[in-house]
Amino acid sequence: DVQMTQSPSSLSASVGDRVTITCRASQTIRRSLNWFQQTPGKAPKLLISADSVLQSGVSSRFSVSGSGTEFTLTIDSLEPEDFTTYYCQQITVIPYTFGQGTRLEIK
Amino acid sequence: DVYLVQSGGGAVKPGGSLRLSCTVSGFTFSKAWMSWVRQAPGKGPEWVGLIRSKVDGETTHYAAPVQGRFTISRDDSKNTLYLQMNSLKIEDTATYYCTSSLWLYWGQGNLVTVSS
Repeated sequence: DVQMTQSPSSLSASVGDRVTITCRASQTIRRSLNWFQQTPGKAPKLLISADSVLQSGVSSRFSVSGSGTEFTLTIDSLEPEDFTTYYCQQITVIPYTFGQGTRLEIK
Repeated sequence: DVYLVQSGGGAVKPGGSLRLSCTVSGFTFSKAWMSWVRQAPGKGPEWVGLIRSKVDGETTHYAAPVQGRFTISRDDSKNTLYLQMNSLKIEDTATYYCTSSLWLYWGQGNLVTVSS
């Protein structure tokens, strides 16, 4: 199985800050990585799909980079609604695997 | 608008069975590959399995922890996806979500609690 290692597991930041979350794969997954945002009690929401496609309605403050085994999600100018949990997911190799999550907390 | 409406779930004893359903509207279900994802309390999401479309053979794949116990099926005439869960274990306790192959559309989730 492809192991997805997400870091940091938690992150404190302030409104207006820029933050970066990293996801590392145990083997190359090309660019087949999804990024999700999840608020408590809700289903994960797809932010950016494989090949770095920003989903409709998602703020351009979210961006991604990387390919192969290392990927980053950057959120610019944090807004209050951004303080929640983020997951990466590889969709190259079955079983599709998720990172363990990054909880973004307000400082 | 797209809707994935789930039903089923609830509480069951270890060794028991449950079936979840996911009825889809707003996109061409018959062409979609569909997955089930679960999330144990306080944990991250875990992919459970997928089913391809009929034209792609309606083949299924499962995560190792559920292989041999869970079965994913679909009824394209009813736009409905199913997850049959047998021999349930305590560690299967989670909220189960159905999701489309593009990961954009998700059901509302069903809590499955396995407890003696």
